[in-house]
This record gives sequence, C-alpha cells and structure tokens, in this order.
Amino acid sequence: DAKTTQPNSMESNEEEPVHLPCNHSTISGTDYIHWYRQLPSQGPEYVIHGLTSNVNNRMASLAIAEDRKSSTLILHRATLRDAAVYYCILRDVAAGGTSYGKLTFGQGTILTVHP
Amino acid sequence: EAGVAQSPRYKIIEKRQSVAFWCNPISGHATLYWYQQILGQGPKLLIQFQNNGVVDDSQLPKDRFSAERLKGVDSTLKIQPAKLEDSAVYLCASSLDPSFIAEQFFGPGTRLTVL
Repeated sequence: DAKTTQPNSMESNEEEPVHLPCNHSTISGTDYIHWYRQLPSQGPEYVIHGLTSNVNNRMASLAIAEDRKSSTLILHRATLRDAAVYYCILRDVAAGGTSYGKLTFGQGTILTVHP
Repeated sequence: EAGVAQSPRYKIIEKRQSVAFWCNPISGHATLYWYQQILGQGPKLLIQFQNNGVVDDSQLPKDRFSAERLKGVDSTLKIQPAKLEDSAVYLCASSLDPSFIAEQFFGPGTRLTVL
C-alpha cells in the first residue's frame, strides 16, 4: 500500500474551519484517498473518500491536489465532537487477492478542538 | 440500523491464559474484519472474512491467534496462550462487500489487558 504522511497533531478553536493535510507523493493512478476518524474510546468511522475531484458530504470536504500527491480534509466549522484522530488512507482499486478492501492505518493526526 | 456489536468491552487476563472475543456485524454485511490497535498506533488488520471464508490472514499470529465466522454472520477471535504484547484494543468491522470504496463500520472494540 502507498504511504501517507500526516502531521502528528493539530489544534483548532470551536466553530473555526480546520484543514487537515495529507501527503501521498507515491500515490498511483488507481489509489482512492479515504479518510476515517476515531473519537476517544470508539472505533474508527468513515468520513469521506475521493479519487481526483474534490468531494463534499455532510461531515466534511476533501480537496485533492491536481497532481494527487496531497489532499486536505476540511471541517468547515469544528465542534468539540470533532476532536479525534484523523487517518488518511490510500486504497488501491486495482489491488487483488489479499489487498482487496484492506485499510492500512498510519499514525494519523490528533485534532484538539478548544472551546 | 444497529451497528457492529462486540463483547466483552473489557477483559483482564494473566499471561498464558486464553481469551475469546465475539463480534456481531451489521445485518447483511458479507465482509468482516478483525483489527488489533496497540495504544498510540493505528489499527492493524489481523484477518478478513468474506462470508465464512478467510480472504486475508497474513498478519494473524497463527501460533496463538485463531478466528472463525460460522454461517457467515457472527465471528469469534481467540488468543491462546496470551502474551503481554497482546494487550490492545481488538476492533471488529464489517462492510457490505470488500470493494475499495465500501465503507467499513467499526464496533466499539474490546480492550484486552494481559498481566
């Protein structure tokens, strides 16, 4: 699986936008970019995914660089409930065999939200 | 819709003892995953089932860990004998299918402490 690099931690204030970066310079053309987050004492939960175009859903937006070597998860108005570890993961659509469907988690970014 | 259920939520055992974890996935989800999450790290896939067949168990320590998914629904993960380094949170996840875009839904996890 292609490797991603994320900052260890970030801080934000409540109700302000948060931009969480992810570098994936070795991304292949068949890698989808997925984001999951893990709230304290809970299992991870899906946030968003994309391939080339920017994506929006009710939770967040995903901005993908034109060369696809980096992406940014955008939380438009952070709340205290958004404090979590955010994981940027590449999933290869062309992978077969044992790689199919596999999520490979890195260390993620610990997001702290201040009231 | 009910989420992924896991039990027990917490377990404390002594080394060399055995332990078993149970997972009930979301109804209709064909794919089931077991992850191990050591404190401060992202989850690591141990085993992936498609219905009741094993798709990927490449990172499962087979000398002590075993897992089964009877009738393609519930699953159990067993450790025998446990070692100190097995202390971790064991997460179960399920998805409709194993595709690269299928969202994985995680349970709350079982926190294992080996003394």
